[in-house]
Amino acid sequence: GESVGLHLPTLSVQEGDNSIINCAYSNSASDYFIWYKQESGKGPQFIIDIRSNMDKRQGQRVTVLLNKTVKHLSLQIAATQPGDSAVYFCAERGGTSYGKLTFGQGTILTVHP
Amino acid sequence: NAGVTQTPKFQVLKTGQSMTLQCAQDMNHNSMYWYRQDPGMGLRLIYYSASEGTTDKGEVPNGYNVSRLNKREFSLRLESAAPSQTSVYFCASSERLDTQYFGPGTRLTVL
Repeated sequence: GESVGLHLPTLSVQEGDNSIINCAYSNSASDYFIWYKQESGKGPQFIIDIRSNMDKRQGQRVTVLLNKTVKHLSLQIAATQPGDSAVYFCAERGGTSYGKLTFGQGTILTVHP
Repeated sequence: NAGVTQTPKFQVLKTGQSMTLQCAQDMNHNSMYWYRQDPGMGLRLIYYSASEGTTDKGEVPNGYNVSRLNKREFSLRLESAAPSQTSVYFCASSERLDTQYFGPGTRLTVL
């Protein structure tokens, strides 16, 4: 079946640096993408989403970029803080799958003070 | 406004035992979901309920049953637990096709 995967399973950065987490997807019919943050022992927390008719969307310290040509999604975190340390998941919704999301395996982000 | 709540937080079962995981949301969402999360596997959809009164299988439904009790509550039942069902279970809800919001999870161990 269609799947979403991440290029980098782990990412270590220094506090204050910018972080970029990447995600590849294979379903060309996907119309909606979400990034989630999951801290240890907690459920996934919504960060930002983007629809397929957009290339870029910005939130507070986060930016999501969507490149439909190469089926690539990225999450940029500006001025990364220790509190950003978590596992980050991308998820995609196929165009015909009602509400159902397919999740990537996750990237572990570690921020060093 | 508690969002999505799940009970219990932790559970240990013996092989063959049954149990029901409870989920409730207070956001008046129409859709609810059950996922399992295993190391290196990400989140996999077990069952979902697009709206009150409907349920559908997800990616990994075998060994599970669900009940959409009302708009707020969506339960997951393991009739005869197996060690392969050791996992962390997450419930989520959404307003139709929009962002899914997750509960804190239930950590289940089957011995």
